[in-house]
Amino acid sequence: AQKITQTQPGMFVQEKEAVTLDCTYDTSDQSYGLFWYKQPSSGEMIFLIYQGSYDEQNATEGRYSLNFQKARKSANLVISASQLGDSAMYFCAMSARQGAQKLVFGQGTRLTINP
Amino acid sequence: NAGVMQNPRHLVRRRGQEARLRCSPMKGHSHVYWYRQLPEEGLKFMVYLQKENIIDESGMPKERFSAEFPKEGPSILRIQQVVRGDSAAYFCASSPAIGVFEQYFGPGTRLTVT
Repeated sequence: AQKITQTQPGMFVQEKEAVTLDCTYDTSDQSYGLFWYKQPSSGEMIFLIYQGSYDEQNATEGRYSLNFQKARKSANLVISASQLGDSAMYFCAMSARQGAQKLVFGQGTRLTINP
Repeated sequence: NAGVMQNPRHLVRRRGQEARLRCSPMKGHSHVYWYRQLPEEGLKFMVYLQKENIIDESGMPKERFSAEFPKEGPSILRIQQVVRGDSAAYFCASSPAIGVFEQYFGPGTRLTVT
């Protein structure tokens, strides 16, 4: 079974600083995908970034990058130059590449950006 | 290109009533996933459907819950005889095909059982 662990219930960061949100995972699958989603207070789920287990380079999308360390089974999200609008819940998730590809989510980290 | 649509956005039901949640996937998407989010928790997978087929319902409670994705029309998540513990946000996500990993989420339906 797959499992995602996010150990930071909440984080407070000053605007314009970089922030790293931790995510570790557990799976017996060789082929899998890792995702980060943002959930603002309005409630919708916004896709941020995806990393495949066989991708050799870390994924990047604008100010978001995923620090993928396969041996440590970690997939931390790095947000550079944080903005007030980054305040939200952030969820790490994973899916197998075979079969149903349902997403398994972590408990989330509530990020607050202070002006 | 319209995104994933869910309605209603908010639904209030009394204990014992039925709740019907609708999800229209993105155009061209034939795979639908339903997830439930309890307050202050992450999303939990419920069921995965393709047109006219339930592929994986391992996260669905055995009683009172059912889901369908007919050939025509939206996917429906149906909860019979709702109880207070069913109060949650229910999200639908769609993807175009197996092998495409990104799932696009709808805005969710917030169900409140009084």
